[in-house]
Amino acid sequence: KNEVEQSPQNLTAQEGEFITINCSYSVGISALHWLQQHPGGGIVSLFMLSSGKKKHGRLIATINIQEKHSSLHITASHPRDSAVYICAAVSGSRLTFGEGTQLTVNP
Amino acid sequence: DGGITQSPKYLFRKEGQNVTLSCEQNLNHDAMYWYRQDPGQGLRLIYYSQIVNDFQKGDIAEGYSVSREKKESFPLTVTSAQKNPTAFYLCASGTGHTDTQYFGPGTRLTVL
Repeated sequence: KNEVEQSPQNLTAQEGEFITINCSYSVGISALHWLQQHPGGGIVSLFMLSSGKKKHGRLIATINIQEKHSSLHITASHPRDSAVYICAAVSGSRLTFGEGTQLTVNP
Repeated sequence: DGGITQSPKYLFRKEGQNVTLSCEQNLNHDAMYWYRQDPGQGLRLIYYSQIVNDFQKGDIAEGYSVSREKKESFPLTVTSAQKNPTAFYLCASGTGHTDTQYFGPGTRLTVL
């Protein structure tokens, strides 16, 4: 069992739909990152959070430390949101990455 | 512009040859990292460096070597001892493990 698990692995949505990607972890963490990887391979950091909720534009990230669970929400999804979304848990001095969720938003 | 660069984007090598992947940053970050990404798996840490002239092994360091002679540069050498070197390699930099990491565009290495 991976220390960081994401669901779903693949997600297809229609433009405009509300999207949720989940991340569960089994280790104690100090923070959690959400990253976005585009088809070319480049990775962009979206959020780092250790409690509560953060919002940036149409993206919202939440974390529940007690339940060891984080979610990434995308409101009013758009085809340009199509990418792989990766969560990474900070435990001690290390990052442990989930396998990623491939999101495809169709027009 | 500030950022982190990796070169080349695509690299082909014959089996048994060592190859060095470049990573340069002008963000004035102390920490730099090398990750490997394989299909269906999360990123895995190869090596990291928190300060010049110092580096530590990550989870999958066997068959790899690094150096950190300058703050801006953290080259990764994939040696012939690495059994499955074909992968996508990502370099990142940051101010520390708990802070945001900035990723380079990656190098896709194919060993023929």
